[in-house]
Amino acid sequence: AQTVTQSQPEMSVQEAETVTLSCTYDTSENNYYLFWYKQPPSRQMILVIRQEAYKQQNATENRFSVNFQKAAKSFSLKISDSQLGDTAMYFCAFKVPLGGGADGLTFGKGTHLIIQP
Amino acid sequence: SQTIHQWPATLVQPVGSPLSLECTVEGTSNPNLYWYRQAAGRGLQLLFYSVGIGQISSEVPQNLSASRPQDRQFILSSKKLLLSDSGFYLCAWSKTLEAFFGQGTRLTVV
Repeated sequence: AQTVTQSQPEMSVQEAETVTLSCTYDTSENNYYLFWYKQPPSRQMILVIRQEAYKQQNATENRFSVNFQKAAKSFSLKISDSQLGDTAMYFCAFKVPLGGGADGLTFGKGTHLIIQP
Repeated sequence: SQTIHQWPATLVQPVGSPLSLECTVEGTSNPNLYWYRQAAGRGLQLLFYSVGIGQISSEVPQNLSASRPQDRQFILSSKKLLLSDSGFYLCAWSKTLEAFFGQGTRLTVV
C-alpha cells in the first residue's frame, strides 16, 4: 500500500516570501504520479501541480514548482513570491495508474499554509 | 468545459437517519467517479470509485454505500447514519490523470 507523509501540519510566512512544503511517500511501484492540491477556506480542492515519476525534470506552474527526488521518494512544493490568496490547506497526493478506475488518489494529511500580510 | 456539482453543501442529520448525497458531472462522458471523505485533521480517504454505470468498488468497509444509476451521476447513501459518519465528503471525477473535485458536503451527525 502507498502512504503519503506531510510532516508540517502548519506553516506561516510573510507575503512575498518563498515557502517550501515537504512531502514524502512510500511505494514499491515504479510508474506513478504525484500531485499537489490546494484547499482554500471555500473547501474546493484545486489542482496546483502534477509530476510524472518517469520525468526527471521538475514540474513548474508559474510561482509553483516542485523538487522531485525519486530515489529519496520526496516531492516538495515551492511557492515563490507568496500571496495572501495562497493561504490554504495543501495536500500532497499520489496515484498509481492501475486502470479500470482503481486509481484513486492517496493523500497526505495536509499542511495548513498561512500567508501573513 | 467540464463541471461537477455536488449537493447539499451542508447537512445535519440525526443518528439512525438515512443519507443521500448526490454528485453529477457535466461536459464529459464515461468518467471515473470517486467519493472521498475528509475527517478533521486528516487527508482525504477514498471511499468508493466507479468506472461505469452500476459498477461500484469500495475501498474501505463502512456504513456507507454508493450507486451510479446514470453515467454522470454518483450517489453516496446510508440506511442508518452513525456519529462516526460525520465529516466532509467530496465527489471527484477523472478521465486521465488529474481528478477534479466538487465543492463538498459537510455532514454532521447529531
